[in-house]
Amino acid sequence: KAGVTQTPRYLIKTRGQQVTLSCSPISGHRSVSWYQQTPGQGLQFLFEYFSETQRNKGNFPGRFSGRQFSNSRSEMNVSTLELGDSALYLCASSPRGGMGYGYTFGSGTRLTVV
Amino acid sequence: AQSVTQLDSQVPVFEEAPVELRCNYSSSVSVYLFWYVQYPNQGLQLLLKYLSGSTLVKGINGFEAEFNKSQTSFHLRKPSVHISDTAEYFCAVSGEEGSNYKLTFGKGTLLTVNP
Repeated sequence: KAGVTQTPRYLIKTRGQQVTLSCSPISGHRSVSWYQQTPGQGLQFLFEYFSETQRNKGNFPGRFSGRQFSNSRSEMNVSTLELGDSALYLCASSPRGGMGYGYTFGSGTRLTVV
Repeated sequence: AQSVTQLDSQVPVFEEAPVELRCNYSSSVSVYLFWYVQYPNQGLQLLLKYLSGSTLVKGINGFEAEFNKSQTSFHLRKPSVHISDTAEYFCAVSGEEGSNYKLTFGKGTLLTVNP
C-alpha cells in the first residue's frame, strides 16, 4: 500500500512569490491535514479537509490556503511568501480524521524562502 | 484548549540503557494520545497511540507508554535502546471538541543514543 506522497520534496522560492504544494493521501483515506514544522514554533496545524470540505483551520494568516479534490488529493498554497514561511510542510492522511483514527504522515516538502 | 508539554528537549543515553521520554498534556475532556518519531529529513512515523482501555500501550520498535489520567501524563519508555533509536520524538493529543480534527504536538524530545 503506497504511503502519503508529497511533492515536491524541496523548493526554493523568492520573497513575494507564491507556492503550491501537493499531497496524495493513502488510497481510501478521505481526510488530509497539513502541518508546518519550524525549529522555533515546532509542529503547527494549518488545516484539515474531508470530502473536499475544510473542517478545521489553524491560526495562520489568510495567505495560507488549501483545497481538496474529489479524489482526496490536496494542495496547499502560500501567497506573497515571507522569509518566515521557510519550513517543512507535512501532510497527513487518515481514513476519516479526528478522534482516534490516527494519521499517517508524508515525508514533507522543505520550503526555503530567500 | 488542549496542550502538550514535553519536559525534556534533549535526552542523551548510552546504547542498551533504558530510557523514558516524558509527556504531560492539558485538556478539559477525554483525549487521544500519540507518540510519533521523526528521523532526519523524514516525516513523522506513529510509534503508538492510546485511545481507551488498558493504560499500558505497546508500540513498534519495542516502545511502550503508560497513560496516567490523574497525572495527565503519557510517558514513553524503552527498556534497552539502540543507536538506531536516535531521532526526535513527539507527543501529541487530539480529541477535544472543536479540535477534533487536528493533532496538538509537544515541542519534541531529541533522543541521542551513544555507543
